[in-house]
Amino acid sequence: KQEVTQIPAALSVPEGENLVLNCSFTDSAIYNLQWFRQDPGKGLTSLLLIQSSQREQTSGRLNASLDKSSGRSTLYIAASQPGDSATYLCAWVPSGNTGKLIFGQGTTLQVKP
Amino acid sequence: SQTIHQWPATLVQPVGSPLSLECTVEGTSNPNLYWYRQAAGRGLQLLFYSVGIGQISSEVPQNLSASRPQDRQFILSSKKLLLSDSGFYLCAWSVGGAASTNEKLFFGSGTQLSVL
Repeated sequence: KQEVTQIPAALSVPEGENLVLNCSFTDSAIYNLQWFRQDPGKGLTSLLLIQSSQREQTSGRLNASLDKSSGRSTLYIAASQPGDSATYLCAWVPSGNTGKLIFGQGTTLQVKP
Repeated sequence: SQTIHQWPATLVQPVGSPLSLECTVEGTSNPNLYWYRQAAGRGLQLLFYSVGIGQISSEVPQNLSASRPQDRQFILSSKKLLLSDSGFYLCAWSVGGAASTNEKLFFGSGTQLSVL
């Protein structure tokens, strides 16, 4: 069964901390992996997409890595800010399953001022 | 630029009533279109996806259906809603076509459906 597990389910940190969100998936035959942000009651915003041939992607204070052999991805957030508070979702597309993302349940992050 | 519109934002419907949620995409042609549902305490579940007009694939057997009457229009329907249909429904699109290697997904703002 193709699944995604995200750890931790919830995280609360003081402003300014660097933090790591973890995502594991069940198959190394991966097409791509995406990280999304969801604010309460809102749709999802794509943050980073890592293709199968890539090991990491960076956007501003965000860095996502992909390790296919271990079935893991991490989202690193540097110098966290209260505006980063949201739920972060990891989703992957298995090879041969183009466009059909499999989502984790997310990590809910609270950054305290 | 591309935009995706989804409506209504919230909906309260009695059990047994019909449902119609609409999603439209602007600024692109022949997109792949998706309907997801996010239930409380659960991850996003893919309900339907479409790679072209009239082409619908169903991922989960249920009393919902989807239609794509136009290239950039995707409709989610039900003839009779169940309590278990409550949830947050999200429409999404990605670049379509076999040549596309970037399956980045863009989501609408969602519809919160409460079936009472």
